[in-house]
Amino acid sequence: DADVTQTPRNRITKTGKRIMLECSQTKGHDRMYWYRQDPGLGLRLIYYSFDVKDINKGEISDGYSVSRQAQAKFSLSLESAIPNQTALYFCATSAPERTDTQYFGPGTRLTVL
Amino acid sequence: GDSVTQMEGPVTLSEEACLTINCTYTATGYPSLFWYVQYPGEGLQLLLKATKADDKGSNKGFEATYRKETTSFHLEKGSVQVSDSAVYFCALFPKTDKLIFGTGTRLQVFP
Repeated sequence: DADVTQTPRNRITKTGKRIMLECSQTKGHDRMYWYRQDPGLGLRLIYYSFDVKDINKGEISDGYSVSRQAQAKFSLSLESAIPNQTALYFCATSAPERTDTQYFGPGTRLTVL
Repeated sequence: GDSVTQMEGPVTLSEEACLTINCTYTATGYPSLFWYVQYPGEGLQLLLKATKADDKGSNKGFEATYRKETTSFHLEKGSVQVSDSAVYFCALFPKTDKLIFGTGTRLQVFP
C-alpha cells in the first residue's frame, strides 16, 4: 500500500462550490504539506503543518484552508472554488529531523469549471 | 529571496544519449540541494541530494555536483533510457526549513 494517499484522484467541480481534498499517510511523520503544481510554475506551497497543533500558511494560501485531524490526516479545502484553482494538488510528508526529504502522494487533479 | 532556476523543456533525446539539465540557485548561506523526479501519473520522489559544496549526489546513473562558485547543481546522466522520461525538479532547502522547487524540466527519451 502507498505510504501517502490522496482522495479523490480526480475531481471536476463548478465555480463557487466548496471542495475538500484529503491526504492520509502511514509513514508516521509529523510534518505534512500541501502543494499545487501548475505548468511552468513548478510546485508552490499552500499550507504546511509541523504537528497536529501547528498550521502555517505557505506562499499561496489565499482561497484555501486546511485541517489537521490527526497526525496521519491533513485536508485541504477550497471554500468557494474558482477556475484559476484548476491545478494538480500534492500532499507530502517529512520526518522532523529530515524535513528536506519529502514523500509525495500521487496527486489530485482538480478542474474548476 | 531564495529561488531556483532550471532550464525550460522539453528536453528530447534518443536512447543512450547524454543528458544535462541545468539548475542554478540563489540563496543566503549554504542550502542543501536536491533533484526530485516525477514519473507520469505519480507524485515527486527524491532522486539525489547534496548537502555541502563539492558534494556529488548520485542515484540510478544520475549525478549532480554542488558548485558553490557557480551556484549550480546540474543534473547529468551518461546514457538515458526510455524509462527516464519524466519531469525533473531542482530544489533547495534554505534556512527557512521549506523546500523551494524550480519550475521543472520535462525529459522525453525516444527509442
